[in-house]
Amino acid sequence: KAGVTQTPRYLIKTRGQQVTLSCSPISGHRSVSWYQQTPGQGLQFLFEYFSETQRNKGNFPGRFSGRQFSNSRSEMNVSTLELGDSALYLCASSLVGREARLGNTEAFFGQGTRLTVV
Amino acid sequence: GQQLNQNPQSMFIQEGEDVSMNCTSSSIFNTWLWYKQDPGEGPVLLIALYKAGELTSNGRLTAQFGITRKDSFLNISASIPSDVGIYFCAGQLGYGGSQGNLIFGKGTKLSVKP
Repeated sequence: KAGVTQTPRYLIKTRGQQVTLSCSPISGHRSVSWYQQTPGQGLQFLFEYFSETQRNKGNFPGRFSGRQFSNSRSEMNVSTLELGDSALYLCASSLVGREARLGNTEAFFGQGTRLTVV
Repeated sequence: GQQLNQNPQSMFIQEGEDVSMNCTSSSIFNTWLWYKQDPGEGPVLLIALYKAGELTSNGRLTAQFGITRKDSFLNISASIPSDVGIYFCAGQLGYGGSQGNLIFGKGTKLSVKP
């Protein structure tokens, strides 16, 4: 079974631009979450999508948005990029609800997209 | 917001040594997850714990779900060079399987002793 796939692996963008990152979850997983990872802040939860609906959101500005398609693939968009947005962006997928054992969450991560804003 | 304290922040290992790290919180968790992250890669799930007191092994790795449900421990026995990396704990609040309820520690960085 293929793991979580994120594209692209690396991106360099200029301040003020916008960027779209893509994530394909493990087959059968309908929950997809996005995280921002920086050396200083660690793993920060951005948002979670399930059945094409955002059902949880972290404490990030509205410049960060996402969506999920009917095949569970997800995209994340960051508009008006700032230097501080440079980070490793990770996507994780999981089973949820009755699909998951005892309702617990095992999140499986992709390799991430390394975004550098210059 | 909720916080997990992960200790130590970093440590050096010599091949063959046993390694211990832990995560503690003031909150009660229903699941504990332990991940390892290599440079430039995403975290890889090592062990998942579901019940207080549970002890689970994965090869040389052993993790325990604390009795109080506020802490968890990860031990690595007879460490080898490929054990270097960053280890993260994550605790799940509540039920319902939402990743929004996952709280991550800041990681323990394992390096080889110079």
